[in-house]
Amino acid sequence: EVQLVESGGNLVQPGRSLRLSCAASGFNFDNYAMHWVRQAPGKGLEWVSGISWNSGKIGYADAVKGRFITSRDNAKKSLYLEMHSLRPEDTALYYCAKDWAMTVEVDAFDVWGQGTTVTVSS
Amino acid sequence: SYVLTQPPSVSVAPGKTAAITCGGHNIGRKPVHWYQQRPGQAPVLVIYYDNGRPTGIPERFSGSNSGNTATLTISGVEAGDEADYYCQVWDGSTDHFVFGSGTKVSVL
Repeated sequence: EVQLVESGGNLVQPGRSLRLSCAASGFNFDNYAMHWVRQAPGKGLEWVSGISWNSGKIGYADAVKGRFITSRDNAKKSLYLEMHSLRPEDTALYYCAKDWAMTVEVDAFDVWGQGTTVTVSS
Repeated sequence: SYVLTQPPSVSVAPGKTAAITCGGHNIGRKPVHWYQQRPGQAPVLVIYYDNGRPTGIPERFSGSNSGNTATLTISGVEAGDEADYYCQVWDGSTDHFVFGSGTKVSVL
């Protein structure tokens, strides 16, 4: 069964850091680009970041560029999101999503995890 | 940045047809993907590349894209189709993925 399981979400104070993880199973992880998508409470979907199959291309939304770092470990079939200088507006459910293809462009996200919750509050 | 505009809500009677629009400048030149998100669940891809249907998605779901509007059509709407629907494109000028604001489909 193709599956993505996120972890690492927590309540954190503004300005602090947090690291999210996404464990993949049931498919050849190193053949696909991966993404982080977030959803603030009661709001819509927002693309956060994407990383190509070999980490050769990594993209970020303007709202997180310079504060968040996306990486992957193909040997461990895992995706990561390092979040620094967190702000209250980063509060959201963070989804890990599998890309249809190897590169970070154009294609759809065909598998999603259930998400992990990040709350930024003092 | 590229903006996708969706109506906040669409209401439809069971068995009828729902059309959900997604507006964007020359969106017809871009591949559009659609996602269904039922309450409390993760999004699910229902249409890819304008009108492709992933395995397991009923034929009742179809898509089109031309000019400045892409459309997701749900024929023979069922109660289980109640959900939020999002369109998505790739904005090559910014190297960003963009989602529409979402449309809540209510089955009367």
